[in-house]
Amino acid sequence: AQKITQTQPGMFVQEKEAVTLDCTYDTSDPSYGLFWYKQPSSGEMIFLIYQGSYDQQNATEGRYSLNFQKARKSANLVISASQLGDSAMYFCAMSDNTNAGKSTFGDGTTLTVKP
Amino acid sequence: KAGVTQTPRYLIKTRGQQVTLSCSPISGHRSVSWYQQTPGQGLQFLFEYFSETQRNKGNFPGRFSGRQFSNSRSEMNVSTLELGDSALYLCASSKDTNSEKLFFGSGTQLSVL
Repeated sequence: AQKITQTQPGMFVQEKEAVTLDCTYDTSDPSYGLFWYKQPSSGEMIFLIYQGSYDQQNATEGRYSLNFQKARKSANLVISASQLGDSAMYFCAMSDNTNAGKSTFGDGTTLTVKP
Repeated sequence: KAGVTQTPRYLIKTRGQQVTLSCSPISGHRSVSWYQQTPGQGLQFLFEYFSETQRNKGNFPGRFSGRQFSNSRSEMNVSTLELGDSALYLCASSKDTNSEKLFFGSGTQLSVL
């Protein structure tokens, strides 16, 4: 069964500093995808970054990068140069071929960026 | 390109009533999935439809049902509402494969009194 674990309910970071949000996952399917989404207070979920299980390189999207450690089954999100607008809830999610159409989400991490 | 549209944005119902929520995916997206979000349970997968067929279903009672039309628009229905059904219901669309990111709508905030 798919499982996503986010162990940090809340995180604080100073503006312009980098922050790492933790995510570990579990699946028996060798082919899977890992995603990070951002949910501001407005409620809409916004896709940030994707990592495929067979990708050799860590994914990057602007200030977002995914630290993918397959053997440890971890997919941590790194946000560089934090901005006030980064304050939001962040969700790690995964999908795999065994569960077509289904994404499993972690409980989320609330990130607060301090000025 | 229009995003995922969910209607209505807010809904207030009383216990025992039923409700229908609507979701219009991004043009060209054939997969529509539904999620329930509550403070206590987080994001829970309800079901997913692809080309009018339900491909996967979460662990929700039969009171929760859905369907997808030929134009990929989807509806979900909750019958005999309970207080615990109060939640933000999110719809997401994608092209197809599991490597595709989800595009979410703004959600329908359902309050059951």
